[in-house]
Amino acid sequence: GQQVMQIPQYQHVQEGEDFTTYCNSSTTLSNIQWYKQRPGGHPVFLIQLVKSGEVKKQKRLTFQFGEAKKNSSLHITATQTTDVGTYFCAGPRGGRTNKLIFGTGTLLAVQP
Amino acid sequence: DAGITQSPRHKVTETGTPVTLRCHQTENHRYMYWYRQDPGHGLRLIHYSYGVKDTDKGEVSDGYSVSRSKTEDFLLTLESATSSQTSVYFCATNPPSGDTQYFGPGTRLTVL
Repeated sequence: GQQVMQIPQYQHVQEGEDFTTYCNSSTTLSNIQWYKQRPGGHPVFLIQLVKSGEVKKQKRLTFQFGEAKKNSSLHITATQTTDVGTYFCAGPRGGRTNKLIFGTGTLLAVQP
Repeated sequence: DAGITQSPRHKVTETGTPVTLRCHQTENHRYMYWYRQDPGHGLRLIHYSYGVKDTDKGEVSDGYSVSRSKTEDFLLTLESATSSQTSVYFCATNPPSGDTQYFGPGTRLTVL
């Protein structure tokens, strides 16, 4: 069945270092979304990418959607302790909107 | 976050007992979802609803049932709780436009 995998599962960085998580789908996606979940919290929507090759930035966060629309990445420049949490990508499940399949998530730990 | 509340927030129960989790939203969103979150598995869809009395199964629906008698409430019932259902349960909603999802605070359920 449809799968969305993320690597790495866990990343520990020193504050100020960069961080990247990769999201790979077994199927082509019409769009991809990214969510952040702080420890003990709930997932919060960050951004949605729709176009092939699209790149969007939010301050120190850069999101990219692959040309084949099967992969995506999130890059954080100069991590801060406030970046700690699990980052999930998500895409339409079975090609249908209003149903999402979530990636396995990447847990980011930032050491001050 | 879209005025979503979940109750209870924490529950400990024994194997074999029925358990009902409640999700309440104040945004009049049509779509509602129940997910479970387990380490290494990300967020997995249990059931979802696309309107009052309209529900459907997700990828991990065995052992769970749902009901939606009002737009604002979506109930998840574990008919006979098992230890494998120990998890964090999140409710989410989806506004009419797009497929971005907004999550409730979660319910931590422990089945002994």
